[in-house]
Amino acid sequence: DGGITQSPKYLFRKEGQNVTLSCEQNLNHDAMYWYRQDPGQGLRLIYYSQIVNDFQKGDIAEGYSVSREKKESFPLTVTSAQKNPTAFYLCASRPGGGDTGELFFGEGSRLTVL
Amino acid sequence: GENVEQHPSTLSVQEGDSAVIKCTYSDSASNYFPWYKQELGKRPQLIIDIRSNVGEKKDQRIAVTLNKTAKHFSLHITETQPEDSAVYFCAAQRDYKLSFGAGTTVTVRA
Repeated sequence: DGGITQSPKYLFRKEGQNVTLSCEQNLNHDAMYWYRQDPGQGLRLIYYSQIVNDFQKGDIAEGYSVSREKKESFPLTVTSAQKNPTAFYLCASRPGGGDTGELFFGEGSRLTVL
Repeated sequence: GENVEQHPSTLSVQEGDSAVIKCTYSDSASNYFPWYKQELGKRPQLIIDIRSNVGEKKDQRIAVTLNKTAKHFSLHITETQPEDSAVYFCAAQRDYKLSFGAGTTVTVRA
């Protein structure tokens, strides 16, 4: 099955701990994105990557980090510097070769910091 | 960076009526404007998009209009049906950076 997979689906962490959310796609897409979804605030862009070994900050990158060592993988680390990390996180990918086209979203990861 | 504002935040319409959602963007270099629909418990899905060199685009009951000068774009849904009930997000993109609005919850009353 082709698709984009996020894990874990639910994650609980203590305050002050770093946590890494996984995002894997087998769609052969070049571009990948991380969004945070909070009630009433829509989808806010954290980081995005157009191609392997390259990524850019989005609108709310502070307290987050990413890597893009492989085309199919774009993990997101929520660091202890993120002041309000409890949220629903969505990863997405898009075919390369252009800067338009549909984003394909994963099912999301819900992070709760206790 | 890009700032996308979306209005209204909630919209209730009678089945068969039209629904209009409006968005404004701040970055005049943005050149691609998609709309996504997210049903309860599901992933957002693209329903229609428009590029900056086009003023209007229609796909069956949905249409999008773009006013580059005013930096705003709108989604129009005609003859609304119960299955149109969902959260709708507009977005604006410059290069590969795609920023979304806060969303509009549309409820279609039977």
